[in-house]
Amino acid sequence: AQKITQTQPGMFVQEKEAVTLDCTYDTSDPSYGLFWYKQPSSGEMIFLIYQGSYDQQNATEGRYSLNFQKARKSANLVISASQLGDSAMYFCAMSSDQTGANNLFFGTGTRLTVIP
Amino acid sequence: SAVISQKPSRDICQRGTSLTIQCQVDSQVTMMFWYRQQPGQSLTLIATANQGSEATYESGFVIDKFPISRPNLTFSTLTVSNMSPEDSSIYLCSVKAGTGLKNIQYFGAGTRLSVL
Repeated sequence: AQKITQTQPGMFVQEKEAVTLDCTYDTSDPSYGLFWYKQPSSGEMIFLIYQGSYDQQNATEGRYSLNFQKARKSANLVISASQLGDSAMYFCAMSSDQTGANNLFFGTGTRLTVIP
Repeated sequence: SAVISQKPSRDICQRGTSLTIQCQVDSQVTMMFWYRQQPGQSLTLIATANQGSEATYESGFVIDKFPISRPNLTFSTLTVSNMSPEDSSIYLCSVKAGTGLKNIQYFGAGTRLSVL
């Protein structure tokens, strides 16, 4: 069975500092994809970053990077130089052949608050 | 990426009534997805809507309660039927961009539904 675990219900970070949001996953599939989404209070889900299980390098997208540790089955999101606009819910998600390649399975989310 | 317009953005409905949510995409897409996000929870996939065929529902969701239409490659509707307060949620549509497990989904802004 697929499982995504986000153990931090809430996180605080000082503006301009970096923050790491944790995500661990469990799958028996050798091939899978990992995703991070941001959900501001307005409700929309915004795609941030993707990591494939066979990708050799950690994914980066601007201030976002994904710390992918395959042996530990973790895919932590690192946000550098935090901004007030980064305050939101952050969801880790996975797709795999078991979930169906078209399906995204989401974790419970972490609420990030950026402090001025 | 795709631009997805979802209407209405929010609604307050009476118990026993039905609400139809519309999702319009700015490009032709094969698959559209409908999700539910109950208060304080993560996203749960309701169904996958393919043009020209019946929607595929996930476990726990049935067509009588959540009928879906997909008349063309840019539009879909989700109806929440015979509503009860337990249906109060955010409903989101999404489309898939990418191939295989790089199942990047782009979401509409969501519909916040409150049932009295």
